[in-house]
Amino acid sequence: DVKVTQSSRYLVKRTGEKVFLECVQDMDHENMFWYRQDPGLGLRLIYFSYDVKMKEKGDIPEGYSVSREKKERFSLILESASTNQTSMYLCASSRRTANYGYTFGSGTRLTVV
Amino acid sequence: GEDVEQSLFLSVREGDSSVINCTYTDSSSTYLYWYKQEPGAGLQLLTYIFSNMDMKQDQRLTVLLNKKDKHLSLRIADTQTGDSAIYFCAEIPGGYNKLIFGAGTRLAVHP
Repeated sequence: DVKVTQSSRYLVKRTGEKVFLECVQDMDHENMFWYRQDPGLGLRLIYFSYDVKMKEKGDIPEGYSVSREKKERFSLILESASTNQTSMYLCASSRRTANYGYTFGSGTRLTVV
Repeated sequence: GEDVEQSLFLSVREGDSSVINCTYTDSSSTYLYWYKQEPGAGLQLLTYIFSNMDMKQDQRLTVLLNKKDKHLSLRIADTQTGDSAIYFCAEIPGGYNKLIFGAGTRLAVHP
């Protein structure tokens, strides 16, 4: 069963901490994406990557960075966590041409206190 | 703009049909999608339709596409409590390689 795995379902971090959210896919997909989901705001794209070592900013990249050293792994980094980054984070992947849609992970609910 | 629009909430009685509507932005979109998100989970691809189709049926699900009005709908027949979830409409606009999602419609099924 192909899938996208996010390393943590729930995380609680303190303000100012550096936070790493990990995402691994086993489908040999070229494209990977990070979204955050907040009530009433839908899905907002943070960063995406079309290939190893490539990254592009999405709609809300401020306060985040990403790393893609290997094709299967896409990490989201919160350089200095703040309470307004408390959210559900969703990772997704797709083939190079995204016609068949994205496959999503189960999500990481991050609480920053 | 790149707004895919959906109503935010729908309430139906168990056993009735549910119809979730979506208006997308780009008449050149080649694929349109419906995703389902159950509480506390990620999004699951329910179905997609190619733009040269008017309708696609898969068991209890029927997708209707009106390209002229850029309108997509998802009909769920015999709605069950397990269908309670958020349903997202999405498109790939022409020239893009990213999905554009609507804000999601929360479907509540009551006895």
